[in-house]
Amino acid sequence: KAGVTQTPRYLIKTRGQQVTLSCSPISGHRSVSWYQQTPGQGLQFLFEYFSETQRNKGNFPGRFSGRQFSNSRSEMNVSTLELGDSALYLCASSRQGATEAFFGQGTRLTVV
Amino acid sequence: GESVGLHLPTLSVQEGDNSIINCAYSNSASDYFIWYKQESGKGPQFIIDIRSNMDKRQGQRVTVLLNKTVKHLSLQIAATQPGDSAVYFCAERKEAGSYQLTFGKGTKLSVIP
Repeated sequence: KAGVTQTPRYLIKTRGQQVTLSCSPISGHRSVSWYQQTPGQGLQFLFEYFSETQRNKGNFPGRFSGRQFSNSRSEMNVSTLELGDSALYLCASSRQGATEAFFGQGTRLTVV
Repeated sequence: GESVGLHLPTLSVQEGDNSIINCAYSNSASDYFIWYKQESGKGPQFIIDIRSNMDKRQGQRVTVLLNKTVKHLSLQIAATQPGDSAVYFCAERKEAGSYQLTFGKGTKLSVIP
């Protein structure tokens, strides 16, 4: 059974650009959540999607957005990148009703 | 505000000894508390969870203890092995059916062979 797949694994962008990250959940998982991980702030919740609907959103500026498709795949977008957006972005998928979330390996975004 | 934090940022233990990783939380309304392990270059991996109405749960070589009186969570690893070396995070789930987790800062466990 394939795990959570995140693409790309590494990304370098320039300040002011925008970026789209992709997440393919485990087959059958309809819940996808996104987290930002930095050395200073640790793991912080970005958003959660279930059946194409955003259920929760973390305390991030509007430059951070996401969506989920009918096949449960999810994307997150960051516009007008800032140096502080450099981080590991993690996606997790879960089965409905389960407490266990399965994380992907993440996308390492570097903003220069 | 609501947060989950760790008492100790690093922990070194001898192989074969037991490890105890601690965590303090502040949101009494959370329905589940969860421990994750993150190895270098990988995403967090679920270890064990405990529902808020329980005080102890055991898994394979791991035990989680929840003390709601002092809002304290701990993870005990029996017979620690080199493969247990990683960063351990506690997390709380705010509400049933949600996968919005609030994570602590993490404790780095180093196992000395």
